[in-house]
Amino acid sequence: QMQLQESGPGLVKPSDTLSLTCTVSGGSLGTYYWGWIRLPPGKGLEWIGYVSYTGSTDYNPSLKSRVTISLDTSKKQFSLNLNSVTAADTAVYYCARLSGTTFSAFDIWGQGTMVTVSS
Amino acid sequence: EIVLTQSPGTLSLSPGERATLSCRASQSVSTSYFAWYQQRPGQAPRLLVYGTSNRATGIADRFNGGGSGTDFTLTISRLEPEDFAVYYCQQYGASPRTFGQGTKVEIK
Repeated sequence: QMQLQESGPGLVKPSDTLSLTCTVSGGSLGTYYWGWIRLPPGKGLEWIGYVSYTGSTDYNPSLKSRVTISLDTSKKQFSLNLNSVTAADTAVYYCARLSGTTFSAFDIWGQGTMVTVSS
Repeated sequence: EIVLTQSPGTLSLSPGERATLSCRASQSVSTSYFAWYQQRPGQAPRLLVYGTSNRATGIADRFNGGGSGTDFTLTISRLEPEDFAVYYCQQYGASPRTFGQGTKVEIK
């Protein structure tokens, strides 16, 4: 059974870069699409973006200037980099798999990792 | 961007009762690209329904999705104790993919 696990610093300073990695176990990256979603405190879910098995990406326009999502098939990992962070980027960050093509729901999720932006 | 507005914000019901959750889109969404998720406290979201009315693997048949155009619903026919959670709708037919703000189903 495929599982996803996020990892990375829980505390990031303002103006720094938030970097998270999602490790896939129990299966291969295959021909799936892999995404990131976040849940800010007291708010709803926000779609960040995704990377395809070919390396193509799509990002939320609200974050596009600051975000990069990449794939490392040899390590069975995909990563999120978000630069120039502010307190508004404080959230639980989830990695997830799209169930099929780019037009798919997220069918497998990691447990999430809390990231706080504070000096 | 397609904005999804969920109502009500909070639904207070007793176990065994029927829950009806609504999600309204700011523009028409294809029924092929609409989903519902459940999030229990401290857990990751879980896919319940995709393609408006298709239950995901392992999801109980008391969860039923429906709707079209701009109005979609999730119905839980008889609430079980484990169903008290937050529910999110999502459209994935247009970029950016968007979620509703959530409906909390709480024990009355």
